Amino acid sequence: DSGVTQTPKHLITATGQRVTLRCSPRSGDLSVYWYQQSLDQGLQFLIQYYNGEERAKGNILERFSAQQFPDLHSELNLSSLELGDSALYFCASSGLLGYGYTFGSGTRLTVV
Amino acid sequence: SQQGEEDPQALSIQEGENATMNCSYKTSINNLQWYRQNSGRGLVHLILIRSNEREKHSGRLRVTLDTSKKSSSLLITASRAADTASYFCATVVPQGAQKLVFGQGTRLTINP
Repeated sequence: DSGVTQTPKHLITATGQRVTLRCSPRSGDLSVYWYQQSLDQGLQFLIQYYNGEERAKGNILERFSAQQFPDLHSELNLSSLELGDSALYFCASSGLLGYGYTFGSGTRLTVV
Repeated sequence: SQQGEEDPQALSIQEGENATMNCSYKTSINNLQWYRQNSGRGLVHLILIRSNEREKHSGRLRVTLDTSKKSSSLLITASRAADTASYFCATVVPQGAQKLVFGQGTRLTINP
């Protein structure tokens, strides 16, 4: 157990639907990062939150949104899902700058 | 977009041999990190090397960094079957948010 908890582990849904992925960061970590991993695109940074505020945005589609709550857990919302959104979605957290990041085990999303 | 490129994309060696993976990146960095990913699972932080460091060791791992060539290498000595995984380098740039930018990874297979 890395200390970063992601739920659910697997999700199968139909095109056009909306899903919410949840992440609880390691205790004490204020930063949460979301990544998408697909076979053709590799690991793509989506978005970062720090202590409840959006800090950086990467290749995140307008159909996707995220937030970090006061208890520091984060949710990634994916809407109007397309087949191409099928991927592994990882959450990572970090504490002090200059140290490694801790990744969750991911949510495997399959859009059918 | 990917910051780092790993070389080779795939590497297959015999157990007990040493494995060397290389990573090149494009911009100046704050630090460079190496991660391991077992098939379909989360990423595990292996080692972090700062831009002012040239070499770092952790157990059977040795990482070098050449900022003039914008390259790094990861050496795994006395490889074991359990080292079979994908290895990614990731960089953190000095400006802005401390997000990790990953390369495409090296798929390492250790043959017993």
